[in-house]
Order: sequence, then C-alpha cells, then structure tokens
Amino acid sequence: TQLLEQSPQFLSIQEGENLTVYCNSSSVFSSLQWYRQEPGEGPVLLVTVVTGGEVKKLKRLTFQFGDARKDSSLHITAAQPGDTGLYLCAGYETGANNLFFGTGTRLTVIP
Amino acid sequence: NAGVTQTPKFRILKIGQSMTLQCAQDMNHNYMYWYRQDPGMGLKLIYYSVGAGITDKGEVPNGYNVSRSTTEDFPLRLELAAPSQTSVYFCASNDWGSGNTIYFGEGSWLTVV
Repeated sequence: TQLLEQSPQFLSIQEGENLTVYCNSSSVFSSLQWYRQEPGEGPVLLVTVVTGGEVKKLKRLTFQFGDARKDSSLHITAAQPGDTGLYLCAGYETGANNLFFGTGTRLTVIP
Repeated sequence: NAGVTQTPKFRILKIGQSMTLQCAQDMNHNYMYWYRQDPGMGLKLIYYSVGAGITDKGEVPNGYNVSRSTTEDFPLRLELAAPSQTSVYFCASNDWGSGNTIYFGEGSWLTVV
C-alpha cells in the first residue's frame, strides 16, 4: 500500500511553461515535505508545510498543503532547465515517527 | 561537516551472500532511517530508529536487519542477498520526527547477481 501517490509520474515541458505536481493520500499528515533529487545524489529538502491550507513560496515554486492535510501541490512558474529532477513529497503520518515518501515525479525541462 | 556518511558507495553481491551497509552521522541526531530507492521511483522506508537501542520496522523490512548501539551509527545488514534487493540505499537522520529537515547520505548502490 502506497501512502502517498504523486501525479504525474513523468512530465516533460518546454522552458518557460508552468506546471503543477500533485501529492495525494487518504491519510492525514502532521507535516508534509517536498524534496528534489538529482541523479546520483540523495534528496534535498525544498520546503516543509505544517498547517492545513498553508501556502509557501520559494522563488518560482509555490507549495500548498491541503485544508485536510491529506494532499499537497507544487506549482512551478516559468520552468527552467535547472528545475529538471525527481520531485518527491514526503509526510509524517499523524502519530507516527517515520517519514513516508511519495512515488515521485520526474520532471524534464527542455531548453 | 561530514553530515551523514554511508559506506560502501558501490557493491556487487552474489545471491546468498551477506553484507552490512554502514551509516554514521555526526550531528547528534536522535532519529535515523534507512530507505531503498528503485530506479526512477520514490523512497521506501526499510527500518528506522528513534534513539540508541530502539529500532522499528518501516514499509519493506523483510530481508534486512538493523542495530543502533550508539547515537552516531545505524548499520543495515542484508542476510542472504536476493536480486530483488538490487537498489540504491539511503541513510538519513534528523533531530526529531515531525517537521525537521532530514539529512540524507549520498547513497549506496547495491547490485545482487
């Protein structure tokens, strides 16, 4: 059973386009994180959202935590080739001590 | 700062062999984790530890064992390696369970043939 499902699994877009990646679950999370992973490296934390409905911005990236704390989205404005990578959401299930990762979205931005 | 250090970086095992992946962190973190990542996929939790002497199973613990005798070290043992254990293994640590930055090692590439 996969706690966190991401969509789409693969995304290839042209430089300058906008995109949204979704992270969905039937479980409630006390917090949710987004990571980006480059080939041959470990994931690197981008953001943590804690409050239902919370929106955080990191330059051209906008992260939103769903009101019920079961889902999240990542929106990238005017994508650039440097945004290419594997994007992973991860959540701490309420009452649990471990971090569960989503299935991942592999983004390719074509110059 | 070293952060989270994993060894070895690469290893090829024959079916049925055993080995230990080493993980050490120098940040005095109480939480440590072992994940595996299959090609193009997300990470799946194998085992985790909330402190020295305490370990617990994650999503995919079968075929693995861990120990946590010190705060710094969290080795992962593979007994009777199988081809299904071919994967990239990541060790990680953080300060507590919820909301804090989790730091990953650089990964260990394991192939079982």
